[in-house]
Amino acid sequence: DSGVTQTPKHLITATGQRVTLRCSPRSGDLSVYWYQQSLDQGLQFLIQYYNGEERAKGNILERFSAQQFPDLHSELNLSSLELGDSALYFCASSGSGNTEAFFGQGTRLTVV
Amino acid sequence: AQSVAQPEDQVNVAEGNPLTVKCTYSVSGNPYLFWYVQYPNRGLQFLLKYITGDNLVKGSYGFEAEFNKSQTSFHLKKPSALVSDSALYFCAVRDGATGTASKLTFGTGTRLQVTL
Repeated sequence: DSGVTQTPKHLITATGQRVTLRCSPRSGDLSVYWYQQSLDQGLQFLIQYYNGEERAKGNILERFSAQQFPDLHSELNLSSLELGDSALYFCASSGSGNTEAFFGQGTRLTVV
Repeated sequence: AQSVAQPEDQVNVAEGNPLTVKCTYSVSGNPYLFWYVQYPNRGLQFLLKYITGDNLVKGSYGFEAEFNKSQTSFHLKKPSALVSDSALYFCAVRDGATGTASKLTFGTGTRLQVTL
């Protein structure tokens, strides 16, 4: 168990809908990262938050947004969903210093 | 911009033989390098990291990796492969100049297949 919790584990929704994925980082970790992993693809970096502020942005679509709350949990909002958004979405967190990131088990999103 | 290259989509090795999974990186500051493993339908698990010090780092499950600054490489190795090592392996880099506040960039992954 990495200590990073993602909910829900699975999500099936229709095209055009909006969903929210939630991530609780390890206790005390200030950085939260979101990644997308499509079938047979690598990890695409979406966005990073550090202590509530956006720190880095990757290939995140305008239909997607995220935030990190004062208690450090994070949410990834995906709207106007398309079939191509079907993927595994991972959250990871890391602490102070040059430490590794710890990953959650992911949310498998299926858009039908 | 930082980047990671894993030149092999798949590596095949027989059980008991040594294995190497290749990784090269590009980063402007000092590199902080990581290897992760992903089993089917699971999240990524941390294997090992290089921050500073000895170029040969040891990690979980008998894996080790060698940092080579001149070749900008961080290859993952194991002296004797097991069938249970079959999984997807990711190399990652972070710019040490900005530490934990910086982005963690992953390679595209290498699928390791170990056969009897």
